[in-house]
Amino acid sequence: LAKTTQPISMDSYEGQEVNITCSHNNIATNDYITWYQQFPSQGPRFIIQGYKTKVTNEVASLFIPADRKSSTLSLPRVSLSDTAVYYCLPQGGATNKLIFGTGTLLAVQP
Amino acid sequence: GAVVSQHPSRVICKSGTSVKIECRSLDFQATTMFWYRQFPKQSLMLMATSNEGSKATYEQGVEKDKFLINHASLTLSTLTVTSAHPEDSSFYICSARDAGGSAYEQYFGPGTRLTVT
Repeated sequence: LAKTTQPISMDSYEGQEVNITCSHNNIATNDYITWYQQFPSQGPRFIIQGYKTKVTNEVASLFIPADRKSSTLSLPRVSLSDTAVYYCLPQGGATNKLIFGTGTLLAVQP
Repeated sequence: GAVVSQHPSRVICKSGTSVKIECRSLDFQATTMFWYRQFPKQSLMLMATSNEGSKATYEQGVEKDKFLINHASLTLSTLTVTSAHPEDSSFYICSARDAGGSAYEQYFGPGTRLTVT
C-alpha cells in the first residue's frame, strides 16, 4: 500500500486559500486519491476524491499531476470551522483498505 | 449521503470486563466494514476488516482473541473488547463500504470513546 507524506501542520487565517500537498510516490495504477477531514472526537468525513487532473466540488478542489505521485487539496477562503486534521489516502478498489498517515493539522486563526 | 452509526458513543467500563461496540449502516448494505482505533493526537490505525458472513481479517499486531469482531448481517458489525484494560482506552471508529456503490467509497461512523478504569 502506498505510503503518504504530508506536512504535520499548517497555519492560516480566515478568508485565505489553503493548499495542502500530499506525496504518494508509490501509488498503484488503480488507486484513487481521497481526502478526509477529521474534527476532534469525530469520525473522518469525506471531502473529495480524484484519479487525475482536477476535481472540484462545493467545498474543495483537488489537483493531481500527470504522474500522480502527489496531490494538492485546495480549500478556498477557509473559516475557523475548517480547523481540523486533513488526511490524504490512496484508495484502491480491490481491498479498499485505508491506511491513514499522520495527516495535516490545519489551524485557522481569525 | 450514506450514514454509519455507532453505539454507544462513549462507554466507561471497569478493568477486566468486556464491552461491545456496534457499527450500523443505516441506509445501505455493507458487505465490508472496517474497525480503527485512534489514540489522542495520533492517526487512525486500522485494526481489522470485517466481512459479512465470514471471519474478520486482523492487521498485524492486533490480538484477535481480545478484539472480537462479528459481522452477522449486511448492516451490522460488532467489536467486542474482551477483558479490557486501561491501555485499551481509545477512540474506536468503524467504516463501511456500500455493497451497491463504488468500490472507492467508504463511510465512517462517529466513533466510540472507550474509557477503561
